Amino acid sequence: QITLKESGPTLVNPAQTLTLTCTFSGFSLSTSRVGVGWIRQPPGEALEWLAVIYWDDYKRYSPSLRARLSITKDTSENQVVLTMTKMDPVDTATYYCSHIVMTFGAVTADDAFDFWGPGTVVTVS
Amino acid sequence: QSALTQSPSVSGSPGQSVTISCTGTSSDVGNYDRVSWYQQSPGTVPKLIIYRVGQRPSGVSDRFSGSKSGNTASLTISGLRAEDEADYYCCSYAGDYSWVFGPGTRVNVL
Repeated sequence: QITLKESGPTLVNPAQTLTLTCTFSGFSLSTSRVGVGWIRQPPGEALEWLAVIYWDDYKRYSPSLRARLSITKDTSENQVVLTMTKMDPVDTATYYCSHIVMTFGAVTADDAFDFWGPGTVVTVS
Repeated sequence: QSALTQSPSVSGSPGQSVTISCTGTSSDVGNYDRVSWYQQSPGTVPKLIIYRVGQRPSGVSDRFSGSKSGNTASLTISGLRAEDEADYYCCSYAGDYSWVFGPGTRVNVL
C-alpha cells in the first residue's frame, strides 16, 4: 500500500532554511504520471499547495513562494526533499507530502492528492 | 494563479443535505475537470473524498457527491451525520501542472 512520511526539524530560526524530506513506499517516482506534492497548513488555517515534482523531474511551485522553494527527488531512495529559504514565523505550519497521479495523454487518472503523510509540525521562532 | 473561494461555513441538521461551493476562474475550475475535495476532521490528515469533479474513491460514502458548472464546483453531503462535521477543502488544477486549494468550509451539524 502507499505510505508517505515527512521528516525534518520541528523548530527553525527566522531567516534560516528549512529542509524537509518525504520518504515514501508503495509507488515509484520513476513511474509515468506519478508525482509528489507538498502542502502546508498553519495552525487553524487553510491548506496551501506549495510545490510538486513529477516522474519526469518536472517541477512546479506556488507562485507566491516560488522564489523561496526548491523541490528535488531521489528515485532510488524513494524520497522527495523540499527546501524553503528565509523562514519567517508566518511559515509556522504542519507540512504534508502527498502522492498524485496525473492524467496524461489518453489515460485518465485521479488528478488528486490521494495519499497523504501524517504531517510534520514546523515552528519558526 | 488565482485563489479559489469558498463560503466560511454551512450548517445543517442530521438527515438534511448541505452544499458547499468552490468558485474559481476560467483558468482553473472552469477550464479543467480536475477538481477534488478533501475532508479534514479536527487534528486529522486531509482525506480525499471526491476527485475529477464527481468521482468517489473506494470506501467513500455515496452521501458525498460533486458537480461543476462553469467556474464553480460543488460538494453535496446528503443525509448529514454528526461525523460529517469537519472542514472541507476544494482543490483545482490551475494549468501547467500546478494546483490551488480553496480556503475551506466548516460544516456544522446542528
